[in-house]
Amino acid sequence: QVQLVESGGGVVQPGGSLRLSCAASGFTFSSYGMHWVRQAPGKGLEWVAISWFDGSDKYYADSVKGRFIVSRDNSKNMLYLEMNSLTAEDTAVYYCARWDFDHWGQGTLVTVSS
Amino acid sequence: DVVMTQSPLSLPVILGQPASISCRASQSLEYSDGNTYLYWFQLRPGQSPRRLIYKVSNRDSGVPDRFSGSGSGTDFTLKISRVEAEDVGVYYCMQGTHWPRTFGGGTKVEIK
Repeated sequence: QVQLVESGGGVVQPGGSLRLSCAASGFTFSSYGMHWVRQAPGKGLEWVAISWFDGSDKYYADSVKGRFIVSRDNSKNMLYLEMNSLTAEDTAVYYCARWDFDHWGQGTLVTVSS
Repeated sequence: DVVMTQSPLSLPVILGQPASISCRASQSLEYSDGNTYLYWFQLRPGQSPRRLIYKVSNRDSGVPDRFSGSGSGTDFTLKISRVEAEDVGVYYCMQGTHWPRTFGGGTKVEIK
């Protein structure tokens, strides 16, 4: 069965960096685009970024453009989100989701605080 | 960016009664391939989002048939024919036609 497992969350200081990972299994990872979506405490869902199935194209939300980088390693069935210049507004649970949002991970919490 | 506006913000419902959530897009969600990429998600406390409906009206596997989606262009609706206790949570619409993808603000369904 399809499984997505995020990791890498934690507490980071403002201005710091963090890399999230999403381990995929149960499907042909290299055939699917993959998203990152986040939910800040008490807020709604916010789409963050997408990597095309082969990594050839990537789109970002304006709120993270220039600071976050999405990448993938199809040989390892892994999706990544490198987050730089973090601010308190980036505090959220981060989910990875498959192309059509039919499968989601359990999420990993990122807290930006001094 | 396409703005997705949901209403109401909060929806208290009596068990067994129907519920309806509206979602309006700031521009048409019909894609050049003829499909309309409008999704509905359920977010229960402590759980990951669950897709209920894709392309306006297609129910996902395992989703009870009391959930239905309808609409076209810019106006969409999610209906629950008879609300059950397990339906408590926040419901989001999302457009998958334009970049960036955008979600509605959410509708909290609670039992009255």
